[in-house]
Amino acid sequence: GIQVEQSPPDLILQEGANSTLRCNFSDSVNNLQWFHQNPWGQLINLFYIPSGTKQNGRLSATTVATERYSLLYISSSQTTDSGVYFCAGGETSGSRLTFGEGTQLTVNP
Amino acid sequence: GAVVSQHPSRVICKSGTSVKIECRSLDFQATTMFWYRQFPKKSLMLMATSNEGSKATYEQGVEKDKFLINHASLTLSTLTVTSAHPEDSSFYICSAVKTGGAGELFFGEGSRLTVL
Repeated sequence: GIQVEQSPPDLILQEGANSTLRCNFSDSVNNLQWFHQNPWGQLINLFYIPSGTKQNGRLSATTVATERYSLLYISSSQTTDSGVYFCAGGETSGSRLTFGEGTQLTVNP
Repeated sequence: GAVVSQHPSRVICKSGTSVKIECRSLDFQATTMFWYRQFPKKSLMLMATSNEGSKATYEQGVEKDKFLINHASLTLSTLTVTSAHPEDSSFYICSAVKTGGAGELFFGEGSRLTVL
């Protein structure tokens, strides 16, 4: 099955800083999503991005499908951005997702 | 739109009892749902794929007799942990794919099971 490698595993930022999270896949994926897991455990959908670039406020994501990686950009980080960010990939649209190990982000005031 | 609701959010039970967790897609139909398990400070691990009207497909190493999955309608899948033991304590999360949608998965709030 697909292997998902996320980096960095931990990231500590000062409020206002920018960051880039990366996800590498062992094989081609046609289903790729980024999530933020809140302190209560719920997964918040950030992006559904099998290819291309999307932006939503201070967050944006880019997937280069041919090179099997995806990037999540967080600009002007806020303390409320803290938490675990997961990327997950699947072979086909709507297929099961394999999750990376996550990036624990801490934004300090 | 695309709301998935899980119930209960927290449950504590005695060893040997069975616990049922419900996963509902509130505003869309979902032919396929997935059940994941998450240990503290770990990633999500897929347990099984639930398909409406047919038997669930379990991942390797997941006991199908221990974790019973039923997907009786296009908006409801249930996970029953049978004869629960302390090692079954975990965070269980379901997700659903909108039938006819783009393929994005939507996740429930999760259910935290504690077996005493």
